[in-house]
Amino acid sequence: QVQLQESGPGLVKPSETLSLTCTVPGGSISSYYWNWIRQPPGKGLEWIGYIYYTGSTNYNPSLKSRVTLSLDTSKNQFSLTLTSVTAADTAVYYCARDQGFVAIWGQGTMVTVSS
Amino acid sequence: DIVMTQSPDSLAVSLGERATINCKSSQSVLNRSNNKNYLAWYQQKPGQPPKLLIYWASTRESGVPDRFSGSGSGTDFTLTISSLQAADVAVYYCQQFYTIPWTFGQGTKVEIK
Repeated sequence: QVQLQESGPGLVKPSETLSLTCTVPGGSISSYYWNWIRQPPGKGLEWIGYIYYTGSTNYNPSLKSRVTLSLDTSKNQFSLTLTSVTAADTAVYYCARDQGFVAIWGQGTMVTVSS
Repeated sequence: DIVMTQSPDSLAVSLGERATINCKSSQSVLNRSNNKNYLAWYQQKPGQPPKLLIYWASTRESGVPDRFSGSGSGTDFTLTISSLQAADVAVYYCQQFYTIPWTFGQGTKVEIK
């Protein structure tokens, strides 16, 4: 079973930039669609966007102005950058694989936006 | 965006009894060119990521027990747990992947009565 691993700061100040990285084992990043999905505490799931191994992206329009996804195939990693964060961006952030229905998920990393 | 609405928000079912969760989409998620419904179901237990149960509305993911089944088409879908087990206590989400942005239902919490 593929295991994805998120990493990054657990605390970000309001108005600053949230940056997370997902490590993909075994070089398999050179295929598939790679997603970020988030879940505010006690709430439901929100798809943020995906990046294809070719580098093409698709974002949730509600976040598009603040989100950038990128790939580093040499490190088998993909990353999320979310600018101008507010308390509403406090959530567990999951990286995940596949387009459409998502079969492979990371364990998630909690990010709190607070001063 | 396609809005996904689940009902009920929570339900309590006795062990061994049937649990039924409904999901309604604000637009059809049926692709008539391939006759596939772009609808998935997930199970999420506390502190864990969601687990894919069902895709294409009724195809069970490998390793998922056959007591889980999905049905429906167009805008109305159902996840059925035929005989509830203690391990099935969780929150269940439906998701449409017909159009971007992919969207999820608000979740249905299943508990033991």
